[in-house]
Amino acid sequence: GAVVSQHPSWVICKSGTSVKIECRSLDFQATTMFWYRQFPKQSLMLMATSNEGSKATYEQGVEKDKFLINHASLTLSTLTVTSAHPEDSSFYICSAPPGHLTQETQYFGPGTRLLVL
Amino acid sequence: GQQVMQIPQYQHVQEGEDFTTYCNSSTTLSNIQWYKQRPGGHPVFLIQLVKSGEVKKQKRLTFQFGEAKKNSSLHITATQTTDVGTYFCAGRRRDDKIIFGKGTRLHILP
Repeated sequence: GAVVSQHPSWVICKSGTSVKIECRSLDFQATTMFWYRQFPKQSLMLMATSNEGSKATYEQGVEKDKFLINHASLTLSTLTVTSAHPEDSSFYICSAPPGHLTQETQYFGPGTRLLVL
Repeated sequence: GQQVMQIPQYQHVQEGEDFTTYCNSSTTLSNIQWYKQRPGGHPVFLIQLVKSGEVKKQKRLTFQFGEAKKNSSLHITATQTTDVGTYFCAGRRRDDKIIFGKGTRLHILP
């Protein structure tokens, strides 16, 4: 089946630094990718929709300047957490539908655990 | 806010007993998906339901999509220890946004 990878899987950083998370579709092209955040024992919250070649669409309450998304190619989307603070510590997961947006399921990456000290 | 309600939040069952989790949406969905997430892992796709009233089975798992495409359920028959995890429903709205329920955490008592 379709495979989505994420890098890094773990990151620990100091408060105030920026962290870049990569999401790659390994065996298919993804014009759209989704970024989620999951706090411990909670559900996945959609942060933004990453669109190849155009600006990302952010969910209400998600700061565009805080969470920079770049979808530079059909297989790569990046999420940069700028000036990270301890409250940004979370599990960040990307996903991508391998086919037409309304017809196909989506496959999740393994996630990136971010800890901001 | 969250528009897909999922109940119960937690469920403890004896091994061999059945288990059901329910999802309810405030709006009509294009489709609904079910995922399983093991502790420390990422969500793994189980199934997608698209048609009104659709019922699908995967071995001991039975998935249903309501006639109004606002409700769904996942039923596990004769639970096993390998069924432990959190089960999420995810509804695709008409605007193509995918909204996750809060999940049902299943514990199996031996």
